[in-house]
Amino acid sequence: DADVTQTPRNRITKTGKRIMLECSQTKGHDRMYWYRQDPGLGLRLIYYSFDVKDINKGEISDGYSVSRQAQAKFSLSLESAIPNQTALYFCATRAGLGNEQFFGPGTRLTVL
Amino acid sequence: QQQVKQSPQSLIVQKGGIPIINCAYENTAFDYFPWYQQFPGKGPALLIAIRPDVSEKKEGRFTISFNKSAKQFSLHIMDSQPGDSATYFCAASMMGNQFYFGTGTSLTVIP
Repeated sequence: DADVTQTPRNRITKTGKRIMLECSQTKGHDRMYWYRQDPGLGLRLIYYSFDVKDINKGEISDGYSVSRQAQAKFSLSLESAIPNQTALYFCATRAGLGNEQFFGPGTRLTVL
Repeated sequence: QQQVKQSPQSLIVQKGGIPIINCAYENTAFDYFPWYQQFPGKGPALLIAIRPDVSEKKEGRFTISFNKSAKQFSLHIMDSQPGDSATYFCAASMMGNQFYFGTGTSLTVIP
């Protein structure tokens, strides 16, 4: 089984809709991240969390919110989706004493 | 503002060639510089990483060269193979907090 899972893997939604992307991990890592990937822009950090009570904004947090429901779960929400948020979204985890990030398989989100 | 600048955007080499991907940064507080490899439909995976106290690191056919004074680092792939065709991202972080990624390089190795 995959160590970092993301649901859904693909999602098409309409402008103005609220949508939640979920990430779960079985690696036991305390640090979790949400990134979006756009062609020509690379990976950009949206939010990150170092434990359940710690949430931090990344480079591009506007229009997004997150929830760390448990050490193993980190959700990303788009309160009112807009077409500009069409992208590939990745969740990643990292152990507190390590440097390597482990990425999930991604969620492809399309906002019409 | 892009914290890490990566070039080229795309690269095509023949099998056996040595593609080189370059990255530059400004923040001298960065202390960890990883390279990630991404295949289509997959998430990025760590390939190799270096800290600024060494100038070179090799792992198999992959080598990072690091120039602290120039604030540049590069990835070299020796004896490249078609299976190396992927997108490569450089990144930088300080004290393991936020990671800043380059814009990616799409590498194609022609058989």
